[in-house]
Amino acid sequence: QVQLVQSGSELKKPGASVKVSCKASGYTFTDYAMNWVRQAPGQGLEWMGWINTNTGNPTSAQGFTGRFVFSLDTSVSTAYLQISGLKAEDTAVYYCVRIPGYWGQGTLVTVSS
Amino acid sequence: QAVVTQEPSLTVSPGGTVTLTCGSSTGAVTSGHYPYWFQQKPGQAPRTLIYDTSNKHSWTPARFSGSLLGGKAALTLSGAQPEDEAEYYCLFSYSGSWVFGGGTKLIVL
Repeated sequence: QVQLVQSGSELKKPGASVKVSCKASGYTFTDYAMNWVRQAPGQGLEWMGWINTNTGNPTSAQGFTGRFVFSLDTSVSTAYLQISGLKAEDTAVYYCVRIPGYWGQGTLVTVSS
Repeated sequence: QAVVTQEPSLTVSPGGTVTLTCGSSTGAVTSGHYPYWFQQKPGQAPRTLIYDTSNKHSWTPARFSGSLLGGKAALTLSGAQPEDEAEYYCLFSYSGSWVFGGGTKLIVL
């Protein structure tokens, strides 16, 4: 069965970087794109963008360019989300999502001094 | 960027029927928007109920159905159960980008 297992919660200081992983299993990793979704505390879902797992080409939504980088390691069927220059407003749960709708369990990133 | 609009909250009686809708600021919603519907309960990851307008996953309860209705995407819950109380989100595709609706809080009361 399709499973997406994300890395554990992170506590970071402002200005630091974080890398969230999403390990896929139960299907051929390169057959489906991987999406990333953010959910700030008490807020709705925001689509951040996606990465083509065949070519590695990323597409970012408005507001998620520059500091947000999507990457892959196809040898271990894993997608990554790296956020640099963390700000307090980056505090959120980050989800990886595979169409048609398989979700990772989410990774809480907390940014606090 | 397109804006996807949902009812902020709806209430349904146990055993009742309710329809949640999602509209698009760009005009009528079509199958080309590949509408998705997700359910999220407090403290949990979202769960996909419907994809591509009306397709269900193996875990989607039969009481949920998706459709296009009056230029919007619709999620109909027939025979509401207390465990259906949750936040529901829709998601549309716009030429390779995706946009979520703001969510509908469904109260079963």
